[in-house]
Amino acid sequence: GAGVSQTPSNKVTEKGKYVELRCDPISGHTALYWYRQSLGQGPEFLIYFQGTGAADDSGLPNDRFFAVRPEGSVSTLKIQRTERGDSAVYLCASSSLPTNEQFFGPGTRLTVL
Amino acid sequence: AQSVTQPDIHITVSEGASLELRCNYSYGATPYLFWYVQSPGQGLQLLLKYFSGDTLVQGIKGFEAEFKRSQSSFNLRKPSVHWSDAAEYFCASNSNSGYALNFGKGTSLLVTP
Repeated sequence: GAGVSQTPSNKVTEKGKYVELRCDPISGHTALYWYRQSLGQGPEFLIYFQGTGAADDSGLPNDRFFAVRPEGSVSTLKIQRTERGDSAVYLCASSSLPTNEQFFGPGTRLTVL
Repeated sequence: AQSVTQPDIHITVSEGASLELRCNYSYGATPYLFWYVQSPGQGLQLLLKYFSGDTLVQGIKGFEAEFKRSQSSFNLRKPSVHWSDAAEYFCASNSNSGYALNFGKGTSLLVTP
């Protein structure tokens, strides 16, 4: 079946702009996760959704970052007033609890100029 | 704080040689442990996972890993490496009451002819 998909695959924006990154999880997966991977680093957790609600947003770096999942399927990660330090690959994953095995999408590479 | 350490940033092995990638974790309780592989332009793919039970875990692509509680380690092994195994390898863990994966910084594997 289809895996986790993310759009766009690449996004280039200017400092100060607003961006939205989309994640389409595996059908039927109730859990959805966002991670950020900077160059030369492992992915770092940002936020976890169970259904429509954000069960854990402790990894969001500041209030410029926000994510939604209004219908319990597709999720959008929103970044306001982007900064050069936000440049990274943003990864989305989904899982069907209780196995807790997370399946990852290919990521969105965000470049802030 | 919970952490995962991958001591080796880069590893080079000859094709056909054996491979061992190291991973150490720091948790109070027995964590769930995972190995993921990331090829250029590809998403993270799960190689294997350990939740409980048999400490030697078999995964895909001929990989295996052994959980050693006394050494807080979960090293990844393969008896004979193929050129297609060249990639970035990440060890990850989470507590059995948490969902966010905590990744190491990764080990980059280079396979020489």
